[in-house]
Amino acid sequence: AQSVTQLDSHVSVSEGTPVLLRCNYSSSYSPSLFWYVQHPNKGLQLLLKYTSAATLVKGINGFEAEFKKSETSFHLTKPSAHMSDAAEYFCVVRNNTDKLIFGTGTRLQVFP
Amino acid sequence: GAGVSQSPSNKVTEKGKDVELRCDPISGHTALYWYRQSLGQGLEFLIYFQGNSAPDKSGLPSDRFSAERTGGSVSTLTIQRTQQEDSAVYLCASSQAGTSASPLHFGNGTRLTVT
Repeated sequence: AQSVTQLDSHVSVSEGTPVLLRCNYSSSYSPSLFWYVQHPNKGLQLLLKYTSAATLVKGINGFEAEFKKSETSFHLTKPSAHMSDAAEYFCVVRNNTDKLIFGTGTRLQVFP
Repeated sequence: GAGVSQSPSNKVTEKGKDVELRCDPISGHTALYWYRQSLGQGLEFLIYFQGNSAPDKSGLPSDRFSAERTGGSVSTLTIQRTQQEDSAVYLCASSQAGTSASPLHFGNGTRLTVT
């Protein structure tokens, strides 16, 4: 069965420093993977998706994620955090019956 | 409309009452999902519709929960005899089928409060 594990429930960074949000997946075949972001009192928005075409995926707002099959990871990164990046981030895997399975989320705090 | 529409945006109901939550997916999207997000929690899968196939109901927490999708478009999630633990934000999402990497488009949700 497919699943995702987000290793950190909370991450705090200073503005201008790098962001790393960790995600490991479990899948018996090549998965489809996504990162979604949820800002306070707003809907979920797609950040980026892994389609198997390229292992390094670039998304919106300067975020990117790298698919590493050997490590079963799909970590989300950004070189320099901005205050507006403060939000909840969800790693998601799509299983072979088309169901999307969400991780438990990582809350990102950005300090000035 | 351009996006997924959910109504009502907020619903307050008394314990024991029935509620209906509505979702209008993006036109042409054949896949429709319901999720539930409790305060400070991740997203809990409830039910998934794909075209004319039988829905995947494996996430419904009890037989008080049911959902239907009429004409392959609008969906209604019904909760009977509501309990306080049903209080949550109920999110609907739709996507195009046939492509494993097609993303979900989410509505803004219905915030349900059971008093």
